[in-house]
Amino acid sequence: DQQVKQNSPSLSVQEGRISILNCDYTNSMFDYFLWYKKYPAEGPTFLISISSIKDKNEDGRFTVFLNKSAKHLSLHIVPSQPGDSAVYFCAARRPTTDKLIFGTGTRLQVFP
Amino acid sequence: NAGVTQTPKFQVLKTGQSMTLQCAQDMNHNSMYWYRQDPGMGLRLIYYSASEGTTDKGEVPNGYNVSRLNKREFSLRLESAAPSQTSVYFCASKQGTQNTEAFFGQGTRLTVV
Repeated sequence: DQQVKQNSPSLSVQEGRISILNCDYTNSMFDYFLWYKKYPAEGPTFLISISSIKDKNEDGRFTVFLNKSAKHLSLHIVPSQPGDSAVYFCAARRPTTDKLIFGTGTRLQVFP
Repeated sequence: NAGVTQTPKFQVLKTGQSMTLQCAQDMNHNSMYWYRQDPGMGLRLIYYSASEGTTDKGEVPNGYNVSRLNKREFSLRLESAAPSQTSVYFCASKQGTQNTEAFFGQGTRLTVV
């Protein structure tokens, strides 16, 4: 039972445009959400996070939106750059246990 | 600052062999995790440890055992390797129940033939 889902395996965006990556979750107990970026042959690196008490968090070109009623979060990258080409994972945390569950990932390709 | 260190980086095993993947962190983190990454499956949690001396099953624990030797180290053991355990394994650590991010190691690419 996949508790965190990323339904788009891949996304292709032109440089300078907005990239929107989506993530859905099923467990309403999750209280903290994170986005990670992963390049080939490297470990995932943290990008941005959001607490369940907020609906938006922004860090430079990256913004994460959380819609708790829909159990949906999204990552917006604007403007997209070729260096953003990577696999993006969303993750959700269960409180008290600190258990971190990841989604299946979305491969983003930013072309010139 | 080394962060999270995994050893080995690459390993080839024969079916039925056993091995232990090592993970150590130098950030004084309480929580540690083992994930496996497979094509189309994302990062799946195998086991995690919320504190020294405690471990708990994740999404795909079958065929694995773990040991939280101390606060720094969290090892993953395959007692009898199977081809289905061919994967890239990642260890991660996190400060604890605070709203902070987890830090990942570089991964161990394991092939079971």
